[in-house]
Amino acid sequence: EPEVTQTPSHQVTQMGQEVILRCVPISNHLYFYWYRQILGQKVEFLVSFYNNEISEKSEIFDDQFSVERPDGSNFTLKIRSTKLEDSAMYFCASRDDRVSGNTIYFGEGSWLTVV
Amino acid sequence: GNSVTQMEGPVTLSEEAFLTINCTYTATGYPSLFWYVQYPGEGLQLLLKATKADDKGSNKGFEATYRKETTSFHLEKGSVQVSDSAVYFCALPFPNTDKLIFGTGTRLQVFP
Repeated sequence: EPEVTQTPSHQVTQMGQEVILRCVPISNHLYFYWYRQILGQKVEFLVSFYNNEISEKSEIFDDQFSVERPDGSNFTLKIRSTKLEDSAMYFCASRDDRVSGNTIYFGEGSWLTVV
Repeated sequence: GNSVTQMEGPVTLSEEAFLTINCTYTATGYPSLFWYVQYPGEGLQLLLKATKADDKGSNKGFEATYRKETTSFHLEKGSVQVSDSAVYFCALPFPNTDKLIFGTGTRLQVFP
C-alpha cells in the first residue's frame, strides 16, 4: 500500500536554530498537510497546501513556519527559529481530492525536540 | 464550530475482553466521522469511517456507528488482542474545509 514517508524520524535542535522536516506524500495525491501533536495534547492542524500554495493555515502557523514543495515529490515544513514550545511530533499527510469523507493518509511523524 | 470529545485513557484490558472507547461530537450538519489508530512507533492510520448518519464503519473487528440522536461515534470491538494495543483517535472535519479535528486520543493496553 502506498504511504507517506517522513524524515527525520527524530531531531534534536537548539533553540533558535532552523529546522526542516521533510515529507514525501503519496505520488498521485494533490492535497498536502502538516499537523502536530505536543506531548500529551491533541493532534492539531497546521497548514494545508494545494496547487503550489497554502490553502489554509491555523493560528499556530505563524511567520516562523513555512512550507514548500521544491520538486514533484517532496513537501517540507521549515521552522525558521525554533522555540522550546515547538517540541512536538509533526505529521505530514496527503490525499488525492477533497471529496467529503475521503481518506487523509498520514506519515509516521517526525519527533522534534528543541533544547 | 465542530468539536470532538473522547474518553480519557489509558484503557487497560485483558485479551478477549470487550472494548468500548467513547467519542461524542458537536457539528454543523452531518460531517464524516473517523477513527484513526497509532500503533507504537508508527504514524496515524485510518481505522474506519462513516460518511453519513446511521452508517456503521468497520475494520479489523472494530466497529463504530454514526448516531446523530446521541451525537456519538463510539468505537467497539468484541474481543481485543494484544496487537490492538495502540492510541485511538476520533476525528471529524472542520466545517467547509478538509482539515480534521482530533480528539485527545485514548491509549489502549491489552495484556495477555
